[in-house]
Amino acid sequence: SQTIHQWPATLVQPVGSPLSLECTVEGTSNPNLYWYRQAAGRGLQLLFYSVGIGQISSEVPQNLSASRPQDRQFILSSKKLLLSDSGFYLCAWSMGPGELFFGEGSRLTVL
Amino acid sequence: DQQVKQNSPSLSVQEGRISILNCDYTNSMFDYFLWYKKYPAEGPTFLISISSIKDKNEDGRFTVFLNKSAKHLSLHIVPSQPGDSAVYFCAASGFTGANNLFFGTGTRLTVIP
Repeated sequence: SQTIHQWPATLVQPVGSPLSLECTVEGTSNPNLYWYRQAAGRGLQLLFYSVGIGQISSEVPQNLSASRPQDRQFILSSKKLLLSDSGFYLCAWSMGPGELFFGEGSRLTVL
Repeated sequence: DQQVKQNSPSLSVQEGRISILNCDYTNSMFDYFLWYKKYPAEGPTFLISISSIKDKNEDGRFTVFLNKSAKHLSLHIVPSQPGDSAVYFCAASGFTGANNLFFGTGTRLTVIP
């Protein structure tokens, strides 16, 4: 069966520090991969998606970036965090249009 | 531009009664709709879906209704249980590519024992 894991689950970072969130999927090949953010009082906002290794599409302009170095690995990064980057980050996968399967989420607090 | 809207941020229902969560969408190209349930500090989990060729889909205590002419869907939970307390997200999909799942802002359901 397919599983998705992301880490760390919680982190507190100072403004201006770097960020790296990692997500891996097991039990499937060539999945579509996504990074979403849930900010306080808002819905789920799509940040990045990827249909294959090295293929990244960005949905919103921001100081975040994403990379897919391997088929089942998706990384969310920032060189310098802003206060507004605080939120709950979710990695997800799918095999095409329709249902997404989400990871456990990573709570980021930028101070 | 919020293409999927959940206008009620919260809903409280007595245990055993019916919970009705509503969702509206603006894009007539959406043809697949989903509901997700999310507990605090966890990722959303898929609950139920409906294709635009149907107007109702039922799975146990959960039923989703779709009114295409009104661009409206609703999730009915009956009977409601305390374990149903969570945030419910409505999502819509159109076959326009890999990034085609649009989420509403969520409704927090509280089922009172």
